[in-house]
Amino acid sequence: DAKTTQPPSMDCAEGRAANLPCNHSTISGNEYVYWYRQIHSQGPQYIIHGLKNNETNEMASLIITEDRKSSTLILPHATLRDTAVYYCIVRVGNFGNEKLTFGTGTRLTIIP
Amino acid sequence: ETGVTQTPRHLVMGMTNKKSLKCEQHLGHNAMYWYKQSAKKPLELMFVYSLEERVENNSVPSRFSPECPNSSHLFLHLHTLQPEDSALYLCASSQGQGGSPLHFGNGTRLTVT
Repeated sequence: DAKTTQPPSMDCAEGRAANLPCNHSTISGNEYVYWYRQIHSQGPQYIIHGLKNNETNEMASLIITEDRKSSTLILPHATLRDTAVYYCIVRVGNFGNEKLTFGTGTRLTIIP
Repeated sequence: ETGVTQTPRHLVMGMTNKKSLKCEQHLGHNAMYWYKQSAKKPLELMFVYSLEERVENNSVPSRFSPECPNSSHLFLHLHTLQPEDSALYLCASSQGQGGSPLHFGNGTRLTVT
């Protein structure tokens, strides 16, 4: 299973773009990169995922390097509600068995 | 609203009690999961069901017993738990196809006294 490395914590000013890095240097060619976040006392919330192309949705953008060994989650205009722990995960398992292994994540704090 | 509903949200039980956690998903998914989240530790996968059949059991003690009667419902039956079993228990579901993400409920906060 490919492992991920994230900084334990980050701060970002409200209204600015929050850029969260993740290293996954042992990722395999068919493994996806997923991002989730968890706000205190709630379940993890799916944000975005990608294989090798950059992805964007209504919540965030995902930039994956060409060698796929690292990625960056971008929250374009951070708000106080974006304060949470953010998990970068590489998918493991076979078709029909979406087992995700969570690490310790990055605690993002949005500063007013 | 995540589409995955867990009840109860909070549960306090003694070590000799028997209780059950319930999970229901309204997303039409065909795979369901139980995860455990203890304080200051990463999420731990406990059980995986795909098309109502258990496909993964990560060496969970027998005092935890899952049940998946259909693709929309998942239960976790608890008996003779230990205080160290106190944690947030999370249910999730997915489409079960390659690349599809998991959708989580808000969990049951369990305290064993």
